[in-house]
This record gives sequence, C-alpha cells and structure tokens, in this order.
Amino acid sequence: SQELEQSPQSLIVQEGKNLTINCTSSKTLYGLYWYKQKYGEGLIFLMMLQKGGEEKSHEKITAKLDEKKQQSSLHITASQPSHAGIYLCGAEDRGSTLGRLYFGRGTQLTVWP
Amino acid sequence: SQTIHQWPATLVQPVGSPLSLECTVEGTSNPNLYWYRQAAGRGLQLLFYSVGIGQISSEVPQNLSASRPQDRQFILSSKKLLLSDSGFYLCASGGGDYYEQYFGPGTRLTVT
Repeated sequence: SQELEQSPQSLIVQEGKNLTINCTSSKTLYGLYWYKQKYGEGLIFLMMLQKGGEEKSHEKITAKLDEKKQQSSLHITASQPSHAGIYLCGAEDRGSTLGRLYFGRGTQLTVWP
Repeated sequence: SQTIHQWPATLVQPVGSPLSLECTVEGTSNPNLYWYRQAAGRGLQLLFYSVGIGQISSEVPQNLSASRPQDRQFILSSKKLLLSDSGFYLCASGGGDYYEQYFGPGTRLTVT
C-alpha cells in the first residue's frame, strides 16, 4: 500500500499570511488529489496533479507536484478565514483495479483575523 | 456533476444497537461507491467499496457491513455497534475520471 505523510499536522496563521502544506510519498505519485474539508462536512475537491513539475492554481491556492513525483505542496497566498479547514491529499493506488485513493491524515488550518 | 446525499447527518446510538446509514447519488449511473470512516486525528480509512449492484468488497474486517441494493444507493449497516465504531462516515462516488471521487456531507456517529 502507499502511505502519504502530510506536514504540518496543524497550522495557525494570521489573515493575510502565506502558507504551505506538504504531502510526501515514498512511492511515485501517479495522480495526486487535494481536498478541503470543513469540520463536520464532506470533502471538496480542489485540484489534481499528474505530471512531474505540474502546477495548478485556483484563486489564491496553488498546488505543485515535484519533478520526481514524490512530493506535492499546496500554497495559499494571502490567507483568509474562509481558507480555514482540513486539507487532505490523496494519491491514486495503481496497485488496485478499483480507482481507489489513499489519503494523508490531513492538515488542520486555522486562520485568525 | 454529481451530488451525494447522506443521512442522517448525526446519530447517537447506544452500544449494541443496530445501525443503518444511507447514501444516494445523483447525476451519474453505475458509479464506483465507497464508504470511508474518519476518526479524530486520523486520515480517511476505506471501509467498503462497490463496483456495481450487489457487489461489495471489504477493506477492513469489522462488525460493519455494506449493501448496494440499487445502482445509486449504498448502505452501511451494523447489527451491534461497538464504542470503537464512533466516527465520521463519508460516502463517495467515483467520477468520470477513473480515480476522481465526489464526497457526501458525512454522518457523525457517536456510540455511547
């Protein structure tokens, strides 16, 4: 199975600050998904990365997959209280015929005004 | 796009009582369906998955079971709940992309 390590586990930042969340795998990532979850709610899809060196942005959130395809980062610019929540990375399990994802434990982000 | 419905939203049940959580999907047909459990401080644990009606596979041996009586209906059940069954249960549906998943709003289960 594939394991994903997310860091940090939790992050508290002041509104307006930039921040980065990392997701690292011991194996090659063939597809890396970023989700956001507000407490007590379902997961909202943010972005998916497949190619080494790929970078995608949506509003103030940018996700990157490194060239070796073993690490992804999620960067938030000028954070706002609306960015608060749990960010999870998920990776495609190519050993499965099922289309399953493995998930990291998540990063809890708090943004204070 | 898909919409995933789950109910109830919250549930408090005594130990030893039965459980039935329901998940229905709109906006797609014949999706892969998944049940996850999310415990505090831990990631998502895949419990069951289904590739079609009546086809259920279990990832983790436990006192829970799942059924798929209709194409877009997925049910998580237990005959006797344990304290360790407490958690946040999420239903997900596979998307057009092979690995893409859409998640429901979740059910918070507390076993007392």
